[in-house]
Amino acid sequence: DAGVIQSPRHEVTEMGQEVTLRCKPISGHDYLFWYRQTMMRGLELLIYFNNNVPIDDSGMPEDRFSAKMPNASFSTLKIQPSEPRDSAVYFCATKAAVSTDTQYFGPGTRLTVL
Amino acid sequence: AQSVAQPEDQVNVAEGNPLTVKCTYSVSGNPYLFWYVQYPNRGLQFLLKYITGDNLVKGSYGFEAEFNKSQTSFHLKKPSALVSDSALYFCAVRDLAYSGAGSYQLTFGKGTKLSVIP
Repeated sequence: DAGVIQSPRHEVTEMGQEVTLRCKPISGHDYLFWYRQTMMRGLELLIYFNNNVPIDDSGMPEDRFSAKMPNASFSTLKIQPSEPRDSAVYFCATKAAVSTDTQYFGPGTRLTVL
Repeated sequence: AQSVAQPEDQVNVAEGNPLTVKCTYSVSGNPYLFWYVQYPNRGLQFLLKYITGDNLVKGSYGFEAEFNKSQTSFHLKKPSALVSDSALYFCAVRDLAYSGAGSYQLTFGKGTKLSVIP
């Protein structure tokens, strides 16, 4: 298995632009989590899905952030419009429903908003 | 609510010496506890977990952790540190007092940077 796949690995954009981050989960994993990592705040859970349905989005910072999971093989995290304070590493993680909570992380997308 | 604390931002240890990375947690019920490691420019990798049973849990790369319910701790240990162990280590917890699909959140600590000095 290729593991969790994220794209792009690096994204540099200008303030005000739309940014879309992508995640392909491990096949058969029913849960998908989006995290944001910064030096100041550490690792924060933004939102997670179960069977493609958003379960808890209380960690999404504001309306500029949105996430979708149109099918079991794909999820997106969108920021529109982006701001410099959104600069961070964004991780996608997935877990199987039958596992005891072990999450498997992708390599992350390093986002820089200028 | 569940929470986890890693009291040390950084731990320095000489190669060959034993290492300990500390973690304490707070939950309402019983905990699931995890350690993850992050190497530079990489995602988090699972090291080990405590679910139930033996308080001493063995994981990848020679690491182990001891669950101590009375002290609400889950410290990560290794008998002999390697330079290649230098990385960022995260402790995480889930509170089993909550159930259902909406409860599968892990709460992560802020991380401890381990530096093993040759």
